[in-house]
Amino acid sequence: AQTVTQSQPEMSVQEAETVTLSCTYDTSESDYYLFWYKQPPSRQMILVIRQEAYKQQNATENRFSVNFQKAAKSFSLKISDSQLGDAAMYFCAYRAPNTGNQFYFGTGTSLTVIP
Amino acid sequence: GAVVSQHPSRVICKSGTSVKIECRSLDFQATTMFWYRQFPKQSLMLMATSNEGSKATYEQGVEKDKFLINHASLTLSTLTVTSAHPEDSSFYICSAPNGAGGPQNIQYFGAGTRLSVL
Repeated sequence: AQTVTQSQPEMSVQEAETVTLSCTYDTSESDYYLFWYKQPPSRQMILVIRQEAYKQQNATENRFSVNFQKAAKSFSLKISDSQLGDAAMYFCAYRAPNTGNQFYFGTGTSLTVIP
Repeated sequence: GAVVSQHPSRVICKSGTSVKIECRSLDFQATTMFWYRQFPKQSLMLMATSNEGSKATYEQGVEKDKFLINHASLTLSTLTVTSAHPEDSSFYICSAPNGAGGPQNIQYFGAGTRLSVL
């Protein structure tokens, strides 16, 4: 089975600063999808950003961007100009095509934003 | 955008009773839905895959007789925790893929149900 590892249980960042959350994964597939989800205190899972493995260009969504290193099986999330509302649990997730849409989640990183 | 509605958001019940949790896709059809369990400050653990019109697929270690799943329509899946006990207390989350092809296929999550068994 695929595994997704987030080695940082907790991270903190000063408001307006930049923070990077790490994620590595293990797979033998060549084509797959990677996601970052945010879970704020409300517990609602929110999609932050996604990346297709066949695309070399890193995905960006406003203040959120990824550093996708396919050979290293690394998929880090960079949050720029951090805001108080960014405080949440962040989960990295992996999905292979044609697997019934099953997601594999990392253990999560709790992000604190310091005013 | 697509929305998945999960109900109830919070339930408190006595030990031995059964609790039903509903998961609805509001503006798209979902032949597959997923049920997760999440303990405090931990990741989502996939419990089972709900398949419309057929039996659910349970992950290893999940008791199918304890956690009954019914996916009777393309927009509704239910999880029934039967004869609930305090150790079943947890946060349960459902999700549904929007059915689009390739990279546009996105999982949408319900807001979760916090179950407390007294």
